[in-house]
Amino acid sequence: GNSVTQMEGPVTLSEEAFLTINCTYTATGYPSLFWYVQYPGEGLQLLLKATKADDKGSNKGFEATYRKETTSFHLEKGSVQVSDSAVYFCALTLSGSARQLTFGSGTQLTVLP
Amino acid sequence: KAGVTQTPRYLIKTRGQQVTLSCSPISGHRSVSWYQQTPGQGLQFLFEYFSETQRNKGNFPGRFSGRQFSNSRSEMNVSTLELGDSALYLCASRRQGSGANVLTFGAGSRLTVL
Repeated sequence: GNSVTQMEGPVTLSEEAFLTINCTYTATGYPSLFWYVQYPGEGLQLLLKATKADDKGSNKGFEATYRKETTSFHLEKGSVQVSDSAVYFCALTLSGSARQLTFGSGTQLTVLP
Repeated sequence: KAGVTQTPRYLIKTRGQQVTLSCSPISGHRSVSWYQQTPGQGLQFLFEYFSETQRNKGNFPGRFSGRQFSNSRSEMNVSTLELGDSALYLCASRRQGSGANVLTFGAGSRLTVL
């Protein structure tokens, strides 16, 4: 079946530190890959996406590259801020129209001032 | 443009009761999906509706059901509630055509079963 594995949290960083959250996937076809973010008390917000191998998604200083050879989609940010504190979810879908997302378990990030 | 609206935001029920949750998608979005989020199981897909038809269903018991109305609004119902149904229920909508693989989520309905 299809699955997404994320690095376990929680992750605690100081402001301006470099962030990497690892995400690997298993899929029977060629998935589209996503990172969603969930702030306390809120729903999920799409952070970035990539739909084919070697695509790089980017948004708000976050980046992730679709690596087919390593089946990975690691999230990175060069300099985190306190406002980036949230739970980050990696997800995939196999259909071209996102009918069903498979999510990773989520990684809690806390950024300290 | 208004986002995905879910009501109620919070509710408390007791075992054996039933509950109905509502979701209004973004205007023009005709597809609505539902997900259950729990600390133990994470985010799990419940079902998807498009044009009043269920198109896809996750691995949940028949106590979980849903429907979609002609204005694309959707409801999900859980009957004979169990303690394990306590969760955040998230609704998401998407549009057809270009960008159709992007889901926009609502803030969720947090259900507590006592």
